[in-house]
Amino acid sequence: EAGVVQSPRYKIIEKKQPVAFWCNPISGHNTLYWYRQNLGQGPELLIRYENEEAVDDSQLPKDRFSAERLKGVDSTLKIQPAELGDSAVYLCASSRTSGGPDTQYFGPGTRLTVL
Amino acid sequence: AQSVTQPDIHITVSEGASLELRCNYSYGATPYLFWYVQSPGQGLQLLLKYFSGDTLVQGIKGFEAEFKRSQSSFNLRKPSVHWSDAAEYFCAVATLNTGNQFYFGTGTSLTVIP
Repeated sequence: EAGVVQSPRYKIIEKKQPVAFWCNPISGHNTLYWYRQNLGQGPELLIRYENEEAVDDSQLPKDRFSAERLKGVDSTLKIQPAELGDSAVYLCASSRTSGGPDTQYFGPGTRLTVL
Repeated sequence: AQSVTQPDIHITVSEGASLELRCNYSYGATPYLFWYVQSPGQGLQLLLKYFSGDTLVQGIKGFEAEFKRSQSSFNLRKPSVHWSDAAEYFCAVATLNTGNQFYFGTGTSLTVIP
């Protein structure tokens, strides 16, 4: 089966510019996650979707970050405006369910550099 | 507070030598434990997981891990390391109380020397 697809793989922008990342999860996976991974750190959850509903966005900086998952399939994460501290790898993952612990499958990530 | 600790930031081993990467967790509930590997520029790939049953679990690429409840540990091992094993390794924990939210350690970077 195809894995989690993310685009773009790399993005370089100037601070204060907007940026968007796209993710297509594994077919049939209802739950979708966005993580941020800073250099030398493990991934940290930004938002979790169950179908089209955001069920956990407590770690999403809502003043500048937004996300959507229309139709409960692919998802977009946006930053507007970007700040220097947003430089990181943004990972998307999916799983069949979030009702209990289940394996999460990760995409290759988008490496964002803010200048 | 909930936490996952990987005490070793960086480990260097010779090719063919054995490997053990440490992971300790701090949770009150029954943990569900995972090890992922991340090669440069890549996403995370699942190596193995423990949910219940036999505390010694086998994974891909010749890796295994042992869950020790008394030590709150889930250490990853490989008897003979290959140069292609050089990567970043992450331990992750989830619990029934937190649904499928994973808590990741800070990772251990593995260098393999010929």
